[in-house]
Amino acid sequence: GAGVSQSPSNKVTEKGKDVELRCDPISGHTALYWYRQSLGQGLEFLIYFQGNSAPDKSGLPSDRFSAERTGGSVSTLTIQRTQQEDSAVYLCASSLAQVNQPQHFGDGTRLSIL
Amino acid sequence: KNQVEQSPQSLIILEGKNCTLQCNYTVSPFSNLRWYKQDTGRGPVSLTIMTFSENTKSNGRYTATLDADTKQSSLHITASQLSDSASYICVVRASGGYQKVTFGTGTKLQVIP
Repeated sequence: GAGVSQSPSNKVTEKGKDVELRCDPISGHTALYWYRQSLGQGLEFLIYFQGNSAPDKSGLPSDRFSAERTGGSVSTLTIQRTQQEDSAVYLCASSLAQVNQPQHFGDGTRLSIL
Repeated sequence: KNQVEQSPQSLIILEGKNCTLQCNYTVSPFSNLRWYKQDTGRGPVSLTIMTFSENTKSNGRYTATLDADTKQSSLHITASQLSDSASYICVVRASGGYQKVTFGTGTKLQVIP
């Protein structure tokens, strides 16, 4: 498809386990963002990739969170030793580099930590 | 600190009625403001973008306004339909070389028959 694809759509795991969330951005989009959306809350910025530049990791809530983007395309968000407060919807978005371009969002991964 | 505040937090209207959603921001220096629609269980989708020089912009039954002096924006929905039920998120971008944006917490709109 032509949109941003995220997988899995739902993930249920036990506290303490590691999880990997995947994002396939729109082809040609150099910018990629990860956000977290908790129930009833706004989107919380996690990390931003732009081309080959060093990513902005300022939104990552702890060192249990990390992300990488291979070959300027697919991105993986990894959460180690998951905690119950990590339960949320994790959204990925991509965009062209120009400032007035919209972010195109995937439908997110709903993560539930038991 | 850059902030975006939206009101009301939630709203219920009858099908066919109009409604207006509000967004106040403190993001500076201002670059643009965008309204997104987020259906339940889906990612947000852009409705319209407002830059500093624009006061009004329409997209079908959606009309966005911007007052850059008072740092306020509104989204007016005309002749609401059941499919308008969603969360509407105001997003403001600061100018500069970085693409980071500030999201409002959204207004949850429910249109009932």
